[in-house]
Amino acid sequence: KNEVEQSPQNLTAQEGEFITINCSYSVGISALHWLQQHPGGGIVSLFMLSSGKKKHGRLIATINIQEKHSSLHITASHPRDSAVYICAAPFGNEKLTFGTGTRLTIIP
Amino acid sequence: DTGVSQNPRHKITKRGQNVTFRCDPISEHNRLYWYRQTLGQGPEFLTYFQNEAQLEKSRLLSDRFSAERPKGSFSTLEIQRTEQGDSAMYLCASSRVENTIYFGEGSWLTVV
Repeated sequence: KNEVEQSPQNLTAQEGEFITINCSYSVGISALHWLQQHPGGGIVSLFMLSSGKKKHGRLIATINIQEKHSSLHITASHPRDSAVYICAAPFGNEKLTFGTGTRLTIIP
Repeated sequence: DTGVSQNPRHKITKRGQNVTFRCDPISEHNRLYWYRQTLGQGPEFLTYFQNEAQLEKSRLLSDRFSAERPKGSFSTLEIQRTEQGDSAMYLCASSRVENTIYFGEGSWLTVV
């Protein structure tokens, strides 16, 4: 079965903390997506990565293909980072299967 | 602004009525996806197109749902005889093959 699992489901941290969100998937994929969704809003694509590491500002995404695992890190977290972070994987025919998301709350 | 446009953004309709949502993808994107998201859940795949061809439909897409992409550009998602369980956000996304996927802001449907 094609599955994507995320942890933790909810994460609350103080402003400035280093944040890690984890994602595991069940079978080999060509690339993994990290997405951000603000309350009531649409979804923004943060990263698409197939190997190694990508960095954009304070966001870093890594993937280990052999272990079928990816992590999203946020350095120097800020209240505006509060959102739901979703990882998604295209199994087979490129349609995305989404994780259930991690609700991140950064407290000032 | 992701470039994927969805209309209307919000729709309240009475049970039994038909509704139609439109998605305008980024112009050079040949793939277009429809997803449904209910509160507290991740998006669920409904259907996708490559150009004008509808390549896959989820079992979630009952006979009351139909999607078209007549000229390989914009797409419509129609729900006939709406039910309260259809209340959700309907997300459209587009991409080029093997590239980053871009999502619209979503169309919220409330069936009363």
